[in-house]
Amino acid sequence: EPEVTQTPSHQVTQMGQEVILRCVPISNHLYFYWYRQILGQKVEFLVSFYNNEISEKSEIFDDQFSVERPDGSNFTLKIRSTKLEDSAMYFCASTSGGTSPHGYTFGSGTRLTVV
Amino acid sequence: AQKITQTQPGMFVQEKEAVTLDCTYDTSDQSYGLFWYKQPSSGEMIFLIYQGSYDEQNATEGRYSLNFQKARKSANLVISASQLGDSAMYFCAMREANAGNNRKLIWGLGTSLAVNP
Repeated sequence: EPEVTQTPSHQVTQMGQEVILRCVPISNHLYFYWYRQILGQKVEFLVSFYNNEISEKSEIFDDQFSVERPDGSNFTLKIRSTKLEDSAMYFCASTSGGTSPHGYTFGSGTRLTVV
Repeated sequence: AQKITQTQPGMFVQEKEAVTLDCTYDTSDQSYGLFWYKQPSSGEMIFLIYQGSYDEQNATEGRYSLNFQKARKSANLVISASQLGDSAMYFCAMREANAGNNRKLIWGLGTSLAVNP
């Protein structure tokens, strides 16, 4: 069964450093998402991406965040200058855009710890 | 604005018994989808079950069923014959109606389920 792959699974970084979280969505999917989940809290939408551009971003997704699909397969989330409050689990998801309930596939997440 | 409410922060159930996890939602859209996900302690998000707003029958997937009451805007998850491996966090989520190219999920706060032996 096709999977969404996220790397790394865990990352520890110093405050102020740049991090890039990587995702390989399912190959024929068209819509890509990043969500984050601060430990013990709800899952929050960050950004959606379609046709090589951002289709929506949340208030959380400020100028410190950016997304790219550099080579047609990878989908990356970059945090330019990490803050302590960026510590969270980051999930990538993709969907074909149809109405199939199974259309959303989540990666296993990257647990980011900012120290 | 669309919203998902899960009012049970934590639930306990005895092994082999059934448990219901509550979810209510708020939307003015006629077309929407409701999801339940399981998040074990390892952190991954596992899809359990889906209910479309136009589906006339309640969704079922093995031991999981969804008690969908559209007029009450509730979509409760029922887990039958609980197993120790069901201990996890459970999230209810709603997909927005087909609003352009964005179909993000809106999430509840989750319910932590502990299954006792």
